[in-house]
Amino acid sequence: EVQLVESGGGLVQPGGSLRLSCAASGFTFSDHYMDWVRQAPGMGLEWVGRIRNRANSHTTEYAASVKGRFSISRDDSKNSLYLQMNSLKTEDTAVYFCARVLGDTLSDHHFDYWGQGTLVTVSS
Amino acid sequence: IQLTQSPSSLSASVGDRVTITCRASQGINNYLAWYQQKPGKAPKLLIYAASTLQSGVPSRFSGSGSGTDFTLTISSLQPEDFATYYCEQLNGYPLTFGGGTKVEIK
Repeated sequence: EVQLVESGGGLVQPGGSLRLSCAASGFTFSDHYMDWVRQAPGMGLEWVGRIRNRANSHTTEYAASVKGRFSISRDDSKNSLYLQMNSLKTEDTAVYFCARVLGDTLSDHHFDYWGQGTLVTVSS
Repeated sequence: IQLTQSPSSLSASVGDRVTITCRASQGINNYLAWYQQKPGKAPKLLIYAASTLQSGVPSRFSGSGSGTDFTLTISSLQPEDFATYYCEQLNGYPLTFGGGTKVEIK
């Protein structure tokens, strides 16, 4: 059974940093692109960024709103995905989901599995 | 690429046919997915490649469209279908979602 479990959320002051983790199980983690998606309270979904698989050199893509502040990484030996968030702003307050991308080709770039999410609150 | 969903909310009764539209600001071929989200839960994939039903999703859900105009249809609304629905384009970065359509009980 595919499982994605996020952790690391919490309360942080503006300007602070936080690192989120996503533990994956039930599939060959190293084969898949992985993404982060967030949802501010009462709002819609916002894509945060992507890290490709080893076959695609673990390259990354980011939304403009987080580029230069957030960094996505992965440790395939630990089946884990990470989101390093620096210079946090109040508008980064959201539930952060990790999501598995089905496949490498464009037609398979949808998210077939999601974690339950972890809440990040940026407030003084 | 901006995605405009309509309506933003709707009220319907069990058994109704419901149609939600998603319009892209530029052509995205058929690289569009639909998700269902219930309060406090993660989104769930319903449709990908605009019209392909995800395994395990009831056949009352269907998707259509290509280019810039897409539709999600629920043929006969069931009690468990009351939720918020999002479209997502996968054609280019940044990936983007529509604003959502909340389906409420009439």
